[in-house]
Amino acid sequence: QKEVEQNSGPLSVPEGAIASLNCTYSDRGSQSFFWYRQYSGKSPELIMFIYSNGDKEDGRFTAQLNKASQYVSLLIRDSQPSDSATYLCAVNIRKIQGAQKLVFGQGTRLTINP
Amino acid sequence: NAGVMQNPRHLVRRRGQEARLRCSPMKGHSHVYWYRQLPEEGLKFMVYLQKENIIDESGMPKERFSAEFPKEGPSILRIQQVVRGDSAAYFCASSPPTGPKSYEQYFGPGTRLTVT
Repeated sequence: QKEVEQNSGPLSVPEGAIASLNCTYSDRGSQSFFWYRQYSGKSPELIMFIYSNGDKEDGRFTAQLNKASQYVSLLIRDSQPSDSATYLCAVNIRKIQGAQKLVFGQGTRLTINP
Repeated sequence: NAGVMQNPRHLVRRRGQEARLRCSPMKGHSHVYWYRQLPEEGLKFMVYLQKENIIDESGMPKERFSAEFPKEGPSILRIQQVVRGDSAAYFCASSPPTGPKSYEQYFGPGTRLTVT
C-alpha cells in the first residue's frame, strides 16, 4: 500500500462546477496535510493545509479531513480554466526536530473545460 | 521578500560528469528540503538539512548523491558521475524553524537536470 494515494485522473470538470479531489494516507499518526498545485513545467505551490478534522475554507478552496477514515479532500468551487493543473496531496509522515518530511501522492491532473 | 531561489534552472551534463545544484532558502527560513521529480512521477523526498547538519537523508540514494547546507551560503545537492536515470527536476523547499508556519514548505522553481 502506498503511503499517500490519489487518483491520477485526468479529472475533467466544466467551468463553474465544483471539482472534487481525493487523497488517502496510510499512517494513522500523520498530523498535517497539504494540497499543492503544480502547473506543467513549474514548481509546486502550496494552496491549502489542514491539521484538524472537519472543513477548512479559503476563498474558492475547501479542504476536508477525516482522520478516522484517513482521508483528505480538496473542493474547488466555481472552477476556472486557470485551475487546470496537477494537484498534489502531501502528508507529514514524521516530525523531526520541529520540522517535517512530506510524502506526496502521485497527483491528480485536473482539466477545467470552458 | 524573495522566495526560494535555485540555480541553475537548467543543467545539462554528460554521463560521468558531476552536477551541483544550489538552493537559497527564503529569508528567515533555516530548514531546507530537497525533492526529486522524475518524468511523469510524483515528488520524492531526498534529504532534510538545517545549517551545518543533515537531519534526515533517508531518501537519498546511497551512492553518488550528497547534500550540504554550510553556515554561510546556499545548500548544495551534489551528484557525482551522473547517469541518464538522474535526469529529473530537483526541487528545493524551505520552512521557518519555529512557529505555526514551520509546518509549511515553500518550493523553489527547481533545477531541471538532463543527462546526455
